[in-house]
Amino acid sequence: NAGVMQNPRHLVRRRGQEARLRCSPMKGHSHVYWYRQLPEEGLKFMVYLQKENIIDESGMPKERFSAEFPKEGPSILRIQQVVRGDSAAYFCASSRALALDADTQYFGPGTRLTVL
Amino acid sequence: AQTVTQSQPEMSVQEAETVTLSCTYDTSESDYYLFWYKQPPSRQMILVIRQEAYKQQNATENRFSVNFQKAAKSFSLKISDSQLGDAAMYFCAYRSDQGAGSYQLTFGKGTKLSVIP
Repeated sequence: NAGVMQNPRHLVRRRGQEARLRCSPMKGHSHVYWYRQLPEEGLKFMVYLQKENIIDESGMPKERFSAEFPKEGPSILRIQQVVRGDSAAYFCASSRALALDADTQYFGPGTRLTVL
Repeated sequence: AQTVTQSQPEMSVQEAETVTLSCTYDTSESDYYLFWYKQPPSRQMILVIRQEAYKQQNATENRFSVNFQKAAKSFSLKISDSQLGDAAMYFCAYRSDQGAGSYQLTFGKGTKLSVIP
């Protein structure tokens, strides 16, 4: 059973460009979370999605950031008009459900975004 | 809002010895989960151990065990017989279990563990 897949692993963008990060959850998982890790910091929650629905985006900046999890295909985190402060590692996690032992979040390897 | 505090930015342990990493948290909730994640240099986040707040028994996973003190809001991780592969950043995390909504993880800032051969 393949783990959570994220691509690309490394992404370099110039200021003003768009960054698109992809996350494929583990097989059988329908809950996806995105976290951001700044240098020397712990992970900070950004957004929680289920198929075709954004459940909680309280951690996401109001501008330039958006996320989706379509019926088919991976979850996408999009950052428009990137700035240097967006440079970070972005992690995706997935879980099977929200109850009991099925709610453990398993993480992907992360995408390291560098904005020049 | 919940907060998680890891007061030891760095720790070191001799190979084969035992080390304990500290974590405290602040919450007004009674139902929640606590986790320890490991992040080696590869930066992959790996689940080490989880604890349900309603369980009095401390969780154990092979060489890893926790000391969960609910009243003190403390959740320390003990690593026994430390191995070189245990060297990593260790993050303590909290997750609410209060009903519908998001079950986001709230992380501490981490403890960097070095293992000395």
